[in-house]
Amino acid sequence: DQQVKQNSPSLSVQEGRISILNCDYTNSMFDYFLWYKKYPAEGPTFLISISSIKDKNEDGRFTVFLNKSAKHLSLHIVPSQPGDSAVYFCAASDGNTGKLIFGQGTTLQVKP
Amino acid sequence: GAVVSQHPSRVICKSGTSVKIECRSLDFQATTMFWYRQFPKQSLMLMATSNEGSKATYEQGVEKDKFLINHASLTLSTLTVTSAHPEDSSFYICSASLGRGTDTQYFGPGTRLTVL
Repeated sequence: DQQVKQNSPSLSVQEGRISILNCDYTNSMFDYFLWYKKYPAEGPTFLISISSIKDKNEDGRFTVFLNKSAKHLSLHIVPSQPGDSAVYFCAASDGNTGKLIFGQGTTLQVKP
Repeated sequence: GAVVSQHPSRVICKSGTSVKIECRSLDFQATTMFWYRQFPKQSLMLMATSNEGSKATYEQGVEKDKFLINHASLTLSTLTVTSAHPEDSSFYICSASLGRGTDTQYFGPGTRLTVL
């Protein structure tokens, strides 16, 4: 049972435009969400997180939106840059155990 | 951000041998370390949670006798794949955190294991 889902395996965006990556979850006990960026043969790098008490968190070009009623979160990258090309994973936690449940990942390609 | 290292980065071994992978937090003390494995084009799957000085907690379906985890200090955890078989070939990644529920996990660069 996939508790965290990223239904789009890939996304292609033109440089300078907005990239929107989506993530859905099923477990209502999740109260902390994170986005990680990963290059091939490397470990994930933390990007941004959000607690369930918020609906938006912004850090530079990255903004994460959380819609608890829809059990949906999204990562917005604007403006997108070619260096943003990577696999993006969303992850969720129940905040107590610290365990992260990852989605399948979305491969973002930003074209110059 | 915090730095987590893994060693080795790549290892090739013969079927039936054991392989040890080290995970170190270089600039902070990690109360909790996690071990994941990732198959090609798939998600990271949590294998076990390791707390310093105590036995690891394994996820359902992960054989604890096959994947031995030791967390002897606040900066080092090891994963030993015993009697490795070709199906154990995968990308193994560790992460470390301060251990509080919402603390960010910092990931190592991963270890590519190939079992011939």
